[in-house]
Amino acid sequence: EAQVTQNPRYLITVTGKKLTVTCSQNMNHEYMSWYRQDPGLGLRQIYYSMNVEVTDKGDVPEGYKVSRKEKRNFPLILESPSPNQTSLYFCASSPLTSAGGYTFGSGTRLTVV
Amino acid sequence: KQEVTQIPAALSVPEGENLVLNCSFTDSAIYNLQWFRQDPGKGLTSLLLIQSSQREQTSGRLNASLDKSSGRSTLYIAASQPGDSATYLCAVKGAGNMLTFGGGTRLMVKP
Repeated sequence: EAQVTQNPRYLITVTGKKLTVTCSQNMNHEYMSWYRQDPGLGLRQIYYSMNVEVTDKGDVPEGYKVSRKEKRNFPLILESPSPNQTSLYFCASSPLTSAGGYTFGSGTRLTVV
Repeated sequence: KQEVTQIPAALSVPEGENLVLNCSFTDSAIYNLQWFRQDPGKGLTSLLLIQSSQREQTSGRLNASLDKSSGRSTLYIAASQPGDSATYLCAVKGAGNMLTFGGGTRLMVKP
């Protein structure tokens, strides 16, 4: 089944403790992206990657890092999480062809206390 | 910069009604438009994908239309059911593979 897999689904952590949210896709998509979703603010893009070793900032990149060492994986790293990063996070992938649609993961609910 | 607006923001209807959700976008230079469904706290499920050269797409009780020149899309849901209750998001794909979302329409279908 074609899918984007995120882990973990739920995470509670303390301020300053580094964490990584993993994302993997099995569709051989070139493009991958991370979003956060907050009430009243909608979905905002954090980082994206056009291909292996190519990453770029989205609208809200502060406090986050990403890497794209392999085509299928695109982890999101929070080096020093803060409470304002409490949110629902989504990973997505799509082909780079103009006709390609996006596929989203099931989401990661992160709480930073 | 592309802006996507969805009207109404919320909608409550009795079961069995046919309904229309609206989406408008400011820049007509899009590659495609997707309609997603999101249940509370859950992921985004793609419902329909319309290419810029297409006028409509259908899947079961769902029909989405696209008028690229006027910057509008509608999602038509026939014979609504309580299980259709969710938030519906419209998103357009433009240059640089960027996806721009609307704010969503929160739909409640009452039994």
